[in-house]
Amino acid sequence: NAGVMQNPRHLVRRRGQEARLRCSPMKGHSHVYWYRQLPEEGLKFMVYLQKENIIDESGMPKERFSAEFPKEGPSILRIQQVVRGDSAAYFCASSPGGLDYLTYNEQFFGPGTRLTVL
Amino acid sequence: RKEVEQDPGPFNVPEGATVAFNCTYSNSASQSFFWYRQDCRKEPKLLMSVYSSGNEDGRFTAQLNRASQYISLLIRDSKLSDSATYLCVVWNPVNNAGNMLTFGGGTRLMVKP
Repeated sequence: NAGVMQNPRHLVRRRGQEARLRCSPMKGHSHVYWYRQLPEEGLKFMVYLQKENIIDESGMPKERFSAEFPKEGPSILRIQQVVRGDSAAYFCASSPGGLDYLTYNEQFFGPGTRLTVL
Repeated sequence: RKEVEQDPGPFNVPEGATVAFNCTYSNSASQSFFWYRQDCRKEPKLLMSVYSSGNEDGRFTAQLNRASQYISLLIRDSKLSDSATYLCVVWNPVNNAGNMLTFGGGTRLMVKP
């Protein structure tokens, strides 16, 4: 069973370019979460998606960041016009659905994408 | 105030030592609690869940004090391979259709020969 897959594992961009990070959830999982980890800090929630729906984007910066989880294919986190402060590790996690919101749905983390903005 | 607070360390201990980490959380509605381990430049991995009754997994013991909003992790007989960052993690379902986890900043442990 493949775990959560993320690519690329390392991404280097110059200021002003676009970064696209991909996440394929575990087989059978329909919920995807993106977290960001700045250097020397803990992970911070960004966005939670189900297929074709953004459920919670309360942790997402208002500008330049967007996320999608299409019916087919991986979830994409897109950062437009990157700045040096976007340099971080971006982790994706997935969980199965089907539980009510009062029950914790265990999340499984991918290996992360390390974004470096020059 | 951060929602989940941890002493960042580092804790430098010799092999065989017992070491304890603490964590406090601010949201009294938090419902589930975990310790994750994160190795350098890797993803976090679930170490253990934390229950009010306390729970043990080999050399690791976790404890939750809901009244004080305090979580602890005790590692006995430290091994070199225990060197990592330990993340205190909290889940709060209230007004949270998102199921997202809230992470502390992590406590770094370095076990020396």
